[in-house]
Amino acid sequence: GAGVSQSPSNKVTEKGKDVELRCDPISGHTALYWYRQSLGQGLEFLIYFQGNSAPDKSGLPSDRFSAERTGGSVSTLTIQRTQQEDSAVYLCASSLDGADNQPQHFGDGTRLSIL
Amino acid sequence: AQSVTQLGSHVSVSEGALVLLRCNYSSSVPPYLFWYVQYPNQGLQLLLKYTTGATLVKGINGFEAEFKKSETSFHLTKPSAHMSDAAEYFCAVRGPTGGFKTIFGAGTRLFVKA
Repeated sequence: GAGVSQSPSNKVTEKGKDVELRCDPISGHTALYWYRQSLGQGLEFLIYFQGNSAPDKSGLPSDRFSAERTGGSVSTLTIQRTQQEDSAVYLCASSLDGADNQPQHFGDGTRLSIL
Repeated sequence: AQSVTQLGSHVSVSEGALVLLRCNYSSSVPPYLFWYVQYPNQGLQLLLKYTTGATLVKGINGFEAEFKKSETSFHLTKPSAHMSDAAEYFCAVRGPTGGFKTIFGAGTRLFVKA
């Protein structure tokens, strides 16, 4: 399809395990964002990629969280040694060029549950 | 720093009634403003946006919003609610002083009663 694709749609894992979440942005979009949405909460910014620039990681909550974007396209968000408080929906979004007036296009998210 | 306040975490209306979802922002310079809708188990979908020009913005599904600089508001309205409008709505603000970050409000869940 032409939209932002995220996988898996659901992930259940045990506390302490590592998880990888994948995001495939809209083709041609240079800007990519990761957000976390906890139950009943708004969106918490995690990280932003724009083209070949160094990503802004200022929203990552701890050093257990990391993300990369290979070839300016697909991005992977990795959470190491998961904790129960990491349970949330992780949303990925992309926009054409990161300009302020560009809307973001969201994937359906990955629902992460830590047991 | 920019911020967004959505008044009312839950709003309930009857089918056919007016929908009004409130959003106020704080920014020293008029920002770009967005409304997104989120249906269950889905990501956010853009409803409408204000960047420059006409302050009354029309979006999808019959929604519209008016940018009022004097009130620092960007309230979302729809004249007649439909059952399919039941969802969560997020107001968001970005730039020109906030950098790349889009700041989202906490969201308002809209319930539509038959």
